[in-house]
Amino acid sequence: DAMVIQNPRYQVTQFGKPVTLSCSQTLNHNVMYWYQQKSSQAPKLLFHYYDKDFNNEADTPDNFQSRRPNTSFCFLDIRSPGLGDAAMYLCATSRGERGGQETQYFGPGTRLLVL
Amino acid sequence: AQKITQTQPGMFVQEKEAVTLDCTYDTSDPSYGLFWYKQPSSGEMIFLIYQGSYDQQNATEGRYSLNFQKARKSANLVISASQLGDSAMYFCAMATGANNLFFGTGTRLTVIP
Repeated sequence: DAMVIQNPRYQVTQFGKPVTLSCSQTLNHNVMYWYQQKSSQAPKLLFHYYDKDFNNEADTPDNFQSRRPNTSFCFLDIRSPGLGDAAMYLCATSRGERGGQETQYFGPGTRLLVL
Repeated sequence: AQKITQTQPGMFVQEKEAVTLDCTYDTSDPSYGLFWYKQPSSGEMIFLIYQGSYDQQNATEGRYSLNFQKARKSANLVISASQLGDSAMYFCAMATGANNLFFGTGTRLTVIP
């Protein structure tokens, strides 16, 4: 089945220690997104890639970076995690054909815990 | 600016009954899409249903239907014949033309046996 895969499902890191979360997709979608969702809140978009074009949200901290080496994979790097970065990180994809008004398909998420 | 409002933090429904989850939105864009997602405790966001701003008919997907009232800027989700597995967080979301999905704060639905 075509899907969005996130690894690991749970990640524990130490305060200030760089961490990378990964996302892969078998849907062959052009657009990949990273969302941050803190407890009992709505998901918040951090950035997205339209093919190789990177689009950063204005209020995304510099501590968060992303890489998309190919169509299938996208990584979220947190350079120096703080306690406030503990959250669920959701990866999503969309076809990229309908000018942004299209369904996004989400992976299962990675829960990040910062000690 | 786009805004999505879900005024019901929590809802309860008896198993096999229907339930309506409210969603209102605000945008100045004439073209937009409205979505509902389900998020179980496991965390995955599951797409349920989509309504385009120019769609004449209300969207339906199995037990889910979207009650779209454009003049009132509302896009309520109706779940018919509720099942225990429907217990989850439900998010209403809106997209305009910028590859950005704006989410409401969500409604936690609990289905009572």
